[in-house]
Amino acid sequence: AQSVTQPDIHITVSEGASLELRCNYSYGATPYLFWYVQSPGQGLQLLLKYFSGDTLVQGIKGFEAEFKRSQSSFNLRKPSVHWSDAAEYFCAVEAGSYQLTFGKGTKLSVIP
Amino acid sequence: DADVTQTPRNRITKTGKRIMLECSQTKGHDRMYWYRQDPGLGLRLIYYSFDVKDINKGEISDGYSVSRQAQAKFSLSLESAIPNQTALYFCATSDATDTQYFGPGTRLTVL
Repeated sequence: AQSVTQPDIHITVSEGASLELRCNYSYGATPYLFWYVQSPGQGLQLLLKYFSGDTLVQGIKGFEAEFKRSQSSFNLRKPSVHWSDAAEYFCAVEAGSYQLTFGKGTKLSVIP
Repeated sequence: DADVTQTPRNRITKTGKRIMLECSQTKGHDRMYWYRQDPGLGLRLIYYSFDVKDINKGEISDGYSVSRQAQAKFSLSLESAIPNQTALYFCATSDATDTQYFGPGTRLTVL
């Protein structure tokens, strides 16, 4: 069965600094990969997804993610963080079963 | 209007009570899902349905049941609620690209 690891439970960055959230997955082939964001008290919003093709994908709100097959990773990046980016971020994989497996999430705090 | 709606948004109930959480969608998707979210555990799949006649157990289905009344409606029931079912519950739908779209969640507290 597939699994998803988000190694960082909580990350704090200063506003304007760059951000990278890590995601590693375990699966025999290339899965579909997703990043979702959950603001406090809200549902999950899709940031971006990777199915195939270009390994660098662009998403909403200035986020991007890079799929690295050799590292089984799909890290999320943003060059300059805004205070409104404070939220919890979830990486997820879909490995051919129409079901998503989620990581446990990374909470992002932003210092003004 | 939201594409995926959940009712109620918040519910407090007592141990042993039966409770139903409802989900409706206007996206026209066949696939629907119920998840629970607990702090530090991410989202875990309870049940999923690929159409009105196809319902499947997820990772943590014990203590829960579902009903797919129509393509647009998927309800989750707790027949006899217990305190460890206190959680945030999400409904989701998915399109042909397997992208899932989530409702706003129902916060359930079982006393």
